[in-house]
Amino acid sequence: EVQLVESGGGLVKPGGSLRLSCAASGFTFSSYSMNWVRQAPGKGLEWVSSISSSSSYIYYADSVKGRFTISRDNAKNSLYLQMNSLRAEDTAVYYCARDMGLNWGQGTLVTVSS
Amino acid sequence: EIVLTQSPGTLSLSPGERATLSCRASQSVSSSYLAWYQQKPGQAPRLLIYGASSRATGIPDRFSGSGSGTDFTLTISRLEPEDFAVYYCQQYGSSPRITFGQGTRLEIK
Repeated sequence: EVQLVESGGGLVKPGGSLRLSCAASGFTFSSYSMNWVRQAPGKGLEWVSSISSSSSYIYYADSVKGRFTISRDNAKNSLYLQMNSLRAEDTAVYYCARDMGLNWGQGTLVTVSS
Repeated sequence: EIVLTQSPGTLSLSPGERATLSCRASQSVSSSYLAWYQQKPGQAPRLLIYGASSRATGIPDRFSGSGSGTDFTLTISRLEPEDFAVYYCQQYGSSPRITFGQGTRLEIK
């Protein structure tokens, strides 16, 4: 069974940093691109970042470019999102997703507030 | 950037009725890289349809997808109580890598 488990969310002040993790199991992690997608409270889905299976290709939404960094460790079956210079508008549930969305984790809530 | 526009914003129907949800793209979606997701309150999205018309594993056959180019449709042939949720379309074939529609809320009439 495919499982994706996010962690690392929490309350952070504007300008602060957080690192999200996504632990993957039940599939060959190193064979798939991975994505981070977020959802602000009561809002729709917003793609944040993608990383190819070997980390050769990385993409970011304009809204997070220069502030967020996606990475992965195929040996540990893990995906990461380093979030710096956080803003109130980054408040959302952050999901990791296999490939374009074949499977999703349960999400981790990031709240940016003073 | 491909913008996806879903209509209607809210659809009010009764169990047993047919639901038709629309997704229009601002430019052609390459190779029908168009997917549909269902999301219920407090849950992650669930993939229903990929490649515009292929059902994901375990999805009942009352869900069907159609369309190409810029116009796509998700049809639910006979609504079950568990089908009332928010539905999103997604394109995954063009830069930026992924975009979503704003969602259609399917509510019980």
